[in-house]
Amino acid sequence: ETGVTQTPRHLVMGMTNKKSLKCEQHLGHNAMYWYKQSAKKPLELMFVYNFKEQTENNSVPSRFSPECPNSSHLFLHLHTLQPEDSALYLCASSQPGESYNEQFFGPGTRLTVL
Amino acid sequence: DAKTTQPPSMDCAEGRAANLPCNHSTISGNEYVYWYRQIHSQGPQYIIHGLKNNETNEMASLIITEDRKSSTLILPHATLRDTAVYYCIVRARSTGTASKLTFGTGTRLQVTL
Repeated sequence: ETGVTQTPRHLVMGMTNKKSLKCEQHLGHNAMYWYKQSAKKPLELMFVYNFKEQTENNSVPSRFSPECPNSSHLFLHLHTLQPEDSALYLCASSQPGESYNEQFFGPGTRLTVL
Repeated sequence: DAKTTQPPSMDCAEGRAANLPCNHSTISGNEYVYWYRQIHSQGPQYIIHGLKNNETNEMASLIITEDRKSSTLILPHATLRDTAVYYCIVRARSTGTASKLTFGTGTRLQVTL
């Protein structure tokens, strides 16, 4: 498999559930990102990881908890979400150095919180 | 990062060239112009980037004005599959830390028969 994959592609959860989103990249990149895209809004950067270390948390509520066990995998753990957290969650990766801005995105997970 | 301005929407007939403009009048000397597109409900896709010279790849051409205050993304023969939101982003190339791209609202390109 190539590129950036995300699972699941669709997720429906209740406000009391705990779930996790998974992202895997097969590009040999060392930077990974989580973005959120709510309906009719621009993409919002949530978290940035560089060589497994979190380098950016864009004031994301603690009910979203990222995890980067290695440079190829990125998780977003979800708990006690709110209906307004329903959105498309996108993962991306890029190569360290001058190509940081050339990010490769996964297809996203469409999350619905009931 | 320099602010960019794009028209909210554009139409293009299939087979014709689609020219998508972007204004970035406050661009700094070390900032590049990046273009991404997002087909409905998919992740954004990197298209092309440039500093001051015109660039071309298999997807598109990027024309940057001499003063670098504006640029145009050209899809030479648009197809229905090019219908998407196109984002112009101005950003310095990062060498140390991971990049933080800021996506605006972009231009919604509708390619029609």
